[in-house]
Amino acid sequence: QSALTQPASVSGSPGQSITISCTGTSSDVGGYNYVSWYQQHPGKAPKLMIYDVSNRPSGVSNRFSGSKSGNTASLTISGLQAEDEADYYCSSYTSSSTSYVFGTGTKVTVL
Amino acid sequence: QVQLQQWGAGLLKPSETLSLTCAVYGGSFSAYYWSWIRQPPGKGLEWIGEIDHSGSTNYNPSLKSRVTILIDRSNNQFSLKLISVTAAETAVYYCASRISGAAAGNWFDPWGQGTLVTVSS
Repeated sequence: QSALTQPASVSGSPGQSITISCTGTSSDVGGYNYVSWYQQHPGKAPKLMIYDVSNRPSGVSNRFSGSKSGNTASLTISGLQAEDEADYYCSSYTSSSTSYVFGTGTKVTVL
Repeated sequence: QVQLQQWGAGLLKPSETLSLTCAVYGGSFSAYYWSWIRQPPGKGLEWIGEIDHSGSTNYNPSLKSRVTILIDRSNNQFSLKLISVTAAETAVYYCASRISGAAAGNWFDPWGQGTLVTVSS
């Protein structure tokens, strides 16, 4: 199974909005509303930020939102803050192997 | 609130067997799938496989021939064994959970703290 494709890096100034894309196929992202997003700070375990494309777990800031169109899912961070600087990974269920696949990861830099 | 704590050997030689254990605290042990995920240094995440409370497993096809995930219901623990490791499998290995049952979730939360396993001769 191939990893989902994400941009290597995205940057923005404090207060701005940024969007991270996650591109897969009809066997994963496009075929199911089972995309999740994780934030990972250096040396830490990933933290769930979005599940089932657009749902936020309790305790996650409403500055984080998710969406999907076709085979591409997106994570938008609005009102960018210094604490948002981290790596972000998408994940999706894949029917090609009845398993889970992660994205290549995106480093978000707050300028 | 489920919490996961993991441990295991951190240094292996090529061809040896990787063995990690993850203990589950809080929540219902039978209400989740228990997963292992790894991350090579500076690289992305890779799903290894999972087990449910009945012992039913599902593995990443690329690792299936070398992976075993077991469950210990009496101690609320699950474990990972990966045979014949190579240097390329040096990574931080995480345990994680996924809700099972009628409200099954397709996301991983929470995660263990991670264990760095280095494979080197």
